[in-house]
Amino acid sequence: DAKTTQPPSMDCAEGRAANLPCNHSTISGNEYVYWYRQIHSQGPQYIIHGLKNNETNEMASLIITEDRKSSTLILPHATLRDTAVYYCIAGFGNEKLTFGTGTRLTIIP
Amino acid sequence: DAGVIQSPRHEVTEMGQEVTLRCKPISGHNSLFWYRQTMMRGLELLIYFNNNVPIDDSGMPEDRFSAKMPNASFSTLKIQPSEPRDSAVYFCASSPGTSMNEQFFGPGTRLTVL
Repeated sequence: DAKTTQPPSMDCAEGRAANLPCNHSTISGNEYVYWYRQIHSQGPQYIIHGLKNNETNEMASLIITEDRKSSTLILPHATLRDTAVYYCIAGFGNEKLTFGTGTRLTIIP
Repeated sequence: DAGVIQSPRHEVTEMGQEVTLRCKPISGHNSLFWYRQTMMRGLELLIYFNNNVPIDDSGMPEDRFSAKMPNASFSTLKIQPSEPRDSAVYFCASSPGTSMNEQFFGPGTRLTVL
């Protein structure tokens, strides 16, 4: 699975959109981009994933660049409960997923 | 669905004792994963199964660790003998088994070896 690079930490004001970037320049043509988050002491929670097209669900939107070398996770209206570590992963869901150090997102009241 | 179930949620044991962690995947899922999380090493994959068969155990730290999946609804991770450096949170995850599907994680077992 391809290596991903994320900023170690970000802050976002409550109610604003949180945009979390991820670089995956070595992603292979058929690897998916997955986003998970982990709230303190809990198991990682799946957020969204995509291959080429932008995706949206009830939690977030995923924007993948045309060359697939980077992506952005968007939480449209951040709340305090969105404070967590966010992981961007490139790979396949039925194989090993490599969780890096992620981005620690803090929502500021 | 109850999601991935792990037991026990917390385990405290003494060095040298055998520890068995248990996992029940989501019904119908064909892939099962065991991860370990520590402050120093983060979240790392230990082993995963597809259709009850171990596929990649390269993350298992040493022979003291073993994992089994006797059927589609149950898996165990055993540490014998346990050591203080095995203290960590152990997560089990399951997936429907196709390359595109996400993995669903359980709540984890917090293991403390004294």
